[in-house]
Amino acid sequence: GENVEQHPSTLSVQEGDSAVIKCTYSDSASNYFPWYKQELGKRPQLIIDIRSNVGEKKDQRIAVTLNKTAKHFSLHITETQPEDSAVYFCAASTPGGGFKTIFGAGTRLFVKA
Amino acid sequence: ETGVTQTPRHLVMGMTNKKSLKCEQHLGHNAMYWYKQSAKKPLELMFVYNFKEQTENNSVPSRFSPECPNSSHLFLHLHTLQPEDSALYLCASSQGTSVMEQYFGPGTRLTVT
Repeated sequence: GENVEQHPSTLSVQEGDSAVIKCTYSDSASNYFPWYKQELGKRPQLIIDIRSNVGEKKDQRIAVTLNKTAKHFSLHITETQPEDSAVYFCAASTPGGGFKTIFGAGTRLFVKA
Repeated sequence: ETGVTQTPRHLVMGMTNKKSLKCEQHLGHNAMYWYKQSAKKPLELMFVYNFKEQTENNSVPSRFSPECPNSSHLFLHLHTLQPEDSALYLCASSQGTSVMEQYFGPGTRLTVT
């Protein structure tokens, strides 16, 4: 079946450093790629997304890049802060009756002060 | 809480019990989703409803039975569950047409004893 692979599963960085999380997807029909942040005990919340007609998108310290040919997309967080510590999920959505979305397994990010 | 609400937040049930999870969205969305979140596993899409019609059933066992009486409400009826069904069950909604961002509820933490 279709799947999304996410790496690394755990990432530890020093405050102020950059963090990069990478995902690959298998369904070539996917055209929407959101990233969700889930803090401990809280619901996943969208932090940034990108559509297939765009190669890069940036929002302050967060950026996402997409390579449709290689079916890769990545999340980049610069100048990390302790409050960035959370689990980050990538996902790939395929249009349909209700948009089938497949999530990656998640990356637990620790930002050390 | 506004947006997407779920009740109950915690549920403990025996394997012979019958219970229901409820989700309500106050965002005017047309699509609603059930996800299962287990430890160290990706978010697993269970069911998708678009305009009250089920459009996806991701090979979910029949002991999970969804119901969507209208675009604002979604239920998950549970019966004769197994201990491995213990997980966080998340409901989400989206506009369902051209806007794919999903808004998640806080989840129901289910424990099957």
